[in-house]
Amino acid sequence: QTVVTQEPSFSVSPGGTVTLTCGLSSGSVSASNYPSWYHQTPGQAPRALIYNTKIRSSGVPDRFSGSILGNKAALTITGAQADDEFDYYCAMYVASGIWVFGGGTKLTVL
Amino acid sequence: EVQLVESGGGLVQPGGSLRLSCAVSGFTFSNYAMNWVRQAPGKGLEWVSFITDGSGSIYYADSVKGRFTISRDNAKNSLYLQMNSLRDDDTAVYFCARYGGSGTYYFDSWGKGTLVTVSS
Repeated sequence: QTVVTQEPSFSVSPGGTVTLTCGLSSGSVSASNYPSWYHQTPGQAPRALIYNTKIRSSGVPDRFSGSILGNKAALTITGAQADDEFDYYCAMYVASGIWVFGGGTKLTVL
Repeated sequence: EVQLVESGGGLVQPGGSLRLSCAVSGFTFSNYAMNWVRQAPGKGLEWVSFITDGSGSIYYADSVKGRFTISRDNAKNSLYLQMNSLRDDDTAVYFCARYGGSGTYYFDSWGKGTLVTVSS
């Protein structure tokens, strides 16, 4: 069973840059896993940020960017703001019609 | 405005059944594949099931395969999840999520969720 791994927590200073990553237990992440990223306030609906590795979802500011770094998918936030404090989740398309989410990263801006 | 509103959650005993619904508006439902995603209390997101726009293809996570059934009624703009043989670890908020469209492979719009509690 495929497991998707994320850092449990991360901290960034206001105005700073942070890169969150997302790995696959089965090996390297590739474009054919169509990595997507979401953020969520606990108790609220998730919001889509990035899909197909690097395409920003509608209305998402260009401070958010996606990429593949080495063997992992990555979400980079530049110019971090207090409003960016969320839980961040990645999702991977691992087989026909099957997705797996990572465990999430709690981002603190301080 | 795209809206997805889940309903049907509640308290059910282990081994019991429950049927969730997701009513959608603001887009042409019959043109989009749909998903159910759940989140156990204090835990991360877990993809549960996917159904194509015409119900021709359906997929499930291993954790629910054989117990849950996804379906849709395009005339009623509604998505459903029939949950049978419920277990304690099925306790979660269940979200319906719209698939972003051909070639996008992501969940672009989400409802606020409905809570399912499995407990004796």
